[in-house]
Amino acid sequence: AQSVAQPEDQVNVAEGNPLTVKCTYSVSGNPYLFWYVQYPNRGLQFLLKYITGDNLVKGSYGFEAEFNKSQTSFHLKKPSALVSDSALYFCAVRDSDGGSQGNLIFGKGTKLSVKP
Amino acid sequence: DADVTQTPRNRITKTGKRIMLECSQTKGHDRMYWYRQDPGLGLRLIYYSFDVKDINKGEISDGYSVSRQAQAKFSLSLESAIPNQTALYFCATRGTGGDPEAFFGQGTRLTVV
Repeated sequence: AQSVAQPEDQVNVAEGNPLTVKCTYSVSGNPYLFWYVQYPNRGLQFLLKYITGDNLVKGSYGFEAEFNKSQTSFHLKKPSALVSDSALYFCAVRDSDGGSQGNLIFGKGTKLSVKP
Repeated sequence: DADVTQTPRNRITKTGKRIMLECSQTKGHDRMYWYRQDPGLGLRLIYYSFDVKDINKGEISDGYSVSRQAQAKFSLSLESAIPNQTALYFCATRGTGGDPEAFFGQGTRLTVV
């Protein structure tokens, strides 16, 4: 069965410092991986995705993520955090081979708090 | 205008009442989804539809029903609302082409009292 784990409920970072939000996954086939961000009282916004190719993918707002097949991880990173990055971040996986009807499976979310 | 629109945005209802949440999209996508978000639980799939004639249960469908009135419209109903259905509900769409990401509505915050 597909699953996604976000091991940290909350990540606290000082503004200007690098940030990492962790995600590990399990799928039976090849993964499509996604990061979404949710700002207060808003819907989920797509940040970036890994489908194939280069393991380092770049997305919106200066975020990037690295796909590591051997560690089944897809950690979200940003070199220099901003206070405005404070939000709830969700990792999601889809089995490209059609497992689970190809539906997205979400992690439980990680709250990122960036302090001035 | 938003690509995926949910109505209402907020709703308070009483236990036992029937309520419908509506979703419409302008993306032209065939696939539509209803998710429920609870604190600490992430998003869980309630129902999904691959086209107007194809509706499927997700992991937490009990107590819910759906209707796909058209390619662009997918509604979620709570036949007899109960307090533990208090949550934030999201509609999402996804295409079948080269862009596999899903697009989400703004959410409906439902409170059952």
